Amino acid sequence: AQSVTQLGSHVSVSEGALVLLRCNYSSSVPPYLFWYVQYPNQGLQLLLKYTSAATLVKGINGFEAEFKKSETSFHLTKPSAHMSDAAEYFCAVSDRGQGNLIFGKGTKLSVKP
Amino acid sequence: ETGVTQTPRHLVMGMTNKKSLKCEQHLGHNAMYWYKQSAKKPLELMFVYNFKEQTENNSVPSRFSPECPNSSHLFLHLHTLQPEDSALYLCASSRAGTGDGETQYFGPGTRLLVL
Repeated sequence: AQSVTQLGSHVSVSEGALVLLRCNYSSSVPPYLFWYVQYPNQGLQLLLKYTSAATLVKGINGFEAEFKKSETSFHLTKPSAHMSDAAEYFCAVSDRGQGNLIFGKGTKLSVKP
Repeated sequence: ETGVTQTPRHLVMGMTNKKSLKCEQHLGHNAMYWYKQSAKKPLELMFVYNFKEQTENNSVPSRFSPECPNSSHLFLHLHTLQPEDSALYLCASSRAGTGDGETQYFGPGTRLLVL
């Protein structure tokens, strides 16, 4: 069965520092992988997704993620954090031929001035 | 209006009340979804509709009753809820639930409190 593990329910970084949010997945075949962001009192917004083209995926707001099959990982990074990046981030997986998304528990990112 | 809209944004109801949540998508999509987001739990998929047909019911209690009259509208009818049903209910839509990596677009959610 598919599953997603996000390491760290809360990550805190200083403004300008590297952001690294971890996501590991479990799937029997190469899946589709997604990162969504949720700002307070809002729904989820797609940051980026992996659909088997390039393994390094660039998204909105300067975020990117790299699909590593050998590590079953899809970690999200941003070189320099901005105060506006403070939000909750969700990693999700879906198997090919199945439209349903399985979400991780989320990681809340705080950015200190 | 653009994207996915949900009404009401906030709802307080007693355990004996009947209420409905409404979702509307303006994206021309054919698949719609209901999710439940509780504190400290992952998002839980509740229901999926593809071309107005229900294709997934994720063991949801019968006190939640979905309705999809057309591809643009999705309702969640609520009756005799329990306090543990208090959560943020999110609606989403996508081109079609075919499993080709299509993006799901989410509404802002309805924050439900059951007293």
